[in-house]
Order: sequence, then C-alpha cells, then structure tokens
Amino acid sequence: DTGVSQDPRHKITKRGQNVTFRCDPISEHNRLYWYRQTLGQGPEFLTYFQNEAQLEKSRLLSDRFSAERPKGSFSTLEIQRTEQGDSAMYLCASSYLGGSSYEQYFGPGTRLTVT
Amino acid sequence: DAKTTQPNSMESNEEEPVHLPCNHSTISGTDYIHWYRQLPSQGPEYVIHGLTSNVNNRMASLAIAEDRKSSTLILHRATLRDAAVYYCILRDVGVGYGQNFVFGPGTRLSVLP
Repeated sequence: DTGVSQDPRHKITKRGQNVTFRCDPISEHNRLYWYRQTLGQGPEFLTYFQNEAQLEKSRLLSDRFSAERPKGSFSTLEIQRTEQGDSAMYLCASSYLGGSSYEQYFGPGTRLTVT
Repeated sequence: DAKTTQPNSMESNEEEPVHLPCNHSTISGTDYIHWYRQLPSQGPEYVIHGLTSNVNNRMASLAIAEDRKSSTLILHRATLRDAAVYYCILRDVGVGYGQNFVFGPGTRLSVLP
C-alpha cells in the first residue's frame, strides 16, 4: 500500500491555460474526493466519486472545473481557462465504502500557481 | 452546513496532555464529529470520530458533551510530532451521500520542547 498519490506535485501555469491533475487512490478504495485548500484555510470540498459515479459536487465547482474517474480507479481534475484565483493546493483523498472505516486518506496535493 | 468554531492557536509543552476544544452549537442529530490534523506540507490525516459517546483510539481521545454542542480532542502526551493544524469537522450523514466534509480554519497546535 503506497498511499494516495497525486501528479504533478507542483504546477505553474499562465492565466487562461488549461491544467489537469491526476490522483491515484489506494487500490481497494472505491470512494474518491477532491478538495481545494488556500493558504491559512482548511480544505474545501469540491467533489465526491463512488466508483466511477460522481455523486456530489460543491457549488465551488464552477463550469471551468471538471472531474472524472472513468474506470473507478484513478481520477483527473481539469481546470479550464485558469484564473489567478484558482491558485491553491488541490488535494485528493480516498476511502473505502464498507466496513467500519470512515477515514479519508489524503494525498500530498498538487500546488497550482496561476501567473 | 453546520459550523464549528475552534481557537486559532494553542500551545503545549512536550509530554503534557493537550485539550483541543470545538464548539458546534448547531449540530444536528445526523452529524458525526470528525477530527483530522494536517502536519506541515502534508495532506490532512484522520485522527478520530464519534457520534454521541466518548471515543478512544491509539492516537487520541474524543470527549463529546452530553448535549453534543461541543467536543474536545485529547492528546494524552504531546510530542513534537503532534505540532499540526487540527480540524474539527461535522459530517451530516442525513444530507445527500453524507460525504461533504466541511473543514474550518482549525487550531494550530505548537508543541514546545
């Protein structure tokens, strides 16, 4: 078990460009979450997948944001036409539906800087 | 979303107990109380959770007030590695799929050697 991994760890992009981040959850975990965290704040929930189905989306997830989990394994988060306000740490977490575990396991995050 | 309030920061001496308070006066009957912590430059990690009864695990204890309007995370012997931001979170299992974890700004715990 290597934990949740995210790629890339850092991304610098110019305003208006599109970016895509990848998350690989713990292999047996069927729940996957995306969060955004800005400096000095706690993580803000963006979206939740159960297997390949996207079941919850925050109102923070504007039309420029799209997330997928095509085969119920890894997930991608794409931001189109990036804005400076999108600069943040993007965190992915996974957990297991079933049993008694309510723990979310977080990855190290992808830090996005929009210039 | 139900709200939590926590002190911005707290200090503790190494090897002493730490009591981290959280107020959640608008908690609903279907809200679970979760605690996560975030060490510097890392993603958050689960600490403990509970509904009504006090809970213990290898990391900490969670004391929940009888009216559930407040809770306290107890670290029995603080170590330098416990220096982190501690988040108290309410998760409403009665809304949607119950997976919207609402983090506040948390309490930054400093541990002095």
